[in-house]
Amino acid sequence: EDQVTQSPEALRLQEGESSSLNCSYTVSGLRGLFWYRQDPGKGPEFLFTLYSAGEEKEKERLKATLTKKESFLHITAPKPEDSATYLCAVQADTGRRALTFGSGTRLQVQP
Amino acid sequence: GAGVSQSPSNKVTEKGKDVELRCDPISGHTALYWYRQSLGQGLEFLIYFQGNSAPDKSGLPSDRFSAERTGGSVSTLTIQRTQQEDSAVYLCASSLDASGYNEQFFGPGTRLTVL
Repeated sequence: EDQVTQSPEALRLQEGESSSLNCSYTVSGLRGLFWYRQDPGKGPEFLFTLYSAGEEKEKERLKATLTKKESFLHITAPKPEDSATYLCAVQADTGRRALTFGSGTRLQVQP
Repeated sequence: GAGVSQSPSNKVTEKGKDVELRCDPISGHTALYWYRQSLGQGLEFLIYFQGNSAPDKSGLPSDRFSAERTGGSVSTLTIQRTQQEDSAVYLCASSLDASGYNEQFFGPGTRLTVL
């Protein structure tokens, strides 16, 4: 059974204080690992897709990396508007098309 | 449209009533997915469509839940004889196709409250 575990559950940072969010996964074969951002009362917003170990992607203050067992979302010099829940999901390399999500990390960036 | 749209945004119903939730995918997206997000829980897959057919219904929690898609576009999720445990946010997503190599884009969700 595919499993995704995210840590920490919640993270409070000061503006400008860089940190990383972790996503550990177990999947029979990885087709893709996805990062989403979710603001309260809204649907998840797509951020990144990673397909193979060693791959990295960047967008503004966010950088996602992937190994064979985990992914990290690095946040550099965060701003209050980066406050949100960050969700990690995997898609297995089988016929199944559903994404398996972790429970998310709630990030709060204080000014 | 610019993104996935869902209606209604909020639905309050009484236990035992039937409800219908609607999803309009991004134009040109052939794959459509339904997920459920309960308080304190992660997103839970329900069903997906490729075109008008549903190859994977494995996430539907009971036979009270059903979904259909017509014209390869709009989808309706129906919950019959609603129970309090059905209270959740129901999210719809669409992707260019169901190959598994395209991102799923989510709508804003429908918040369902069963009293």
